[in-house]
Amino acid sequence: GEDVEQSLFLSVREGDSSVINCTYTDSSSTYLYWYKQEPGAGLQLLTYIFSNMDMKQDQRLTVLLNKKDKHLSLRIADTQTGDSAIYFCAESTSGTYKYIFGTGTRLKVLA
Amino acid sequence: DAGVIQSPRHEVTEMGQEVTLRCKPISGHNSLFWYRQTMMRGLELLIYFNNNVPIDDSGMPEDRFSAKMPNASFSTLKIQPSEPRDSAVYFCASSRSPDTIYFGEGSWLTVV
Repeated sequence: GEDVEQSLFLSVREGDSSVINCTYTDSSSTYLYWYKQEPGAGLQLLTYIFSNMDMKQDQRLTVLLNKKDKHLSLRIADTQTGDSAIYFCAESTSGTYKYIFGTGTRLKVLA
Repeated sequence: DAGVIQSPRHEVTEMGQEVTLRCKPISGHNSLFWYRQTMMRGLELLIYFNNNVPIDDSGMPEDRFSAKMPNASFSTLKIQPSEPRDSAVYFCASSRSPDTIYFGEGSWLTVV
């Protein structure tokens, strides 16, 4: 079945860039998403990218998609302590309701 | 616009008791999802409604779980009787289309 994989932990220093990686298996994926979950809160949609795009930039966030390798990454520039959270990668196929979520990457930002 | 609203935010109950979780989706959204999040299993889709009709309930763990959506602005997830292994965070989410879903803040359930 479809699967989305992420590394579990990432630790960076404040002010550095963070890169969170994700791989997926479903070649028919149409949309790929990044969600952020802060402690005690729900999942907040950060950004998403259509599968026909290679890159999307939104302020400090840059999403890169390598469709050939089924690899998605989220780069956070100038990482701040407020960026500490769990980041979930997810994919869906247009016309379906099925979201496949990764296990989440816990980002810890060290002051 | 208000986001997805869930209640209660936190619930502690004794094993065997009935638990009812409530959700108000974002106005205008026609799809509603109930997810469960645990450390062991991550995020699991329990049930999906479209236009108030349950489309896929294959993720509902067992008959102790039931969900309803009597109208476009309200849904409930009921567990009866509850068990300690039901302890988890239950998220409601909604979307206008199947392509982007928005989550509520979650209901944190502890069954002792």
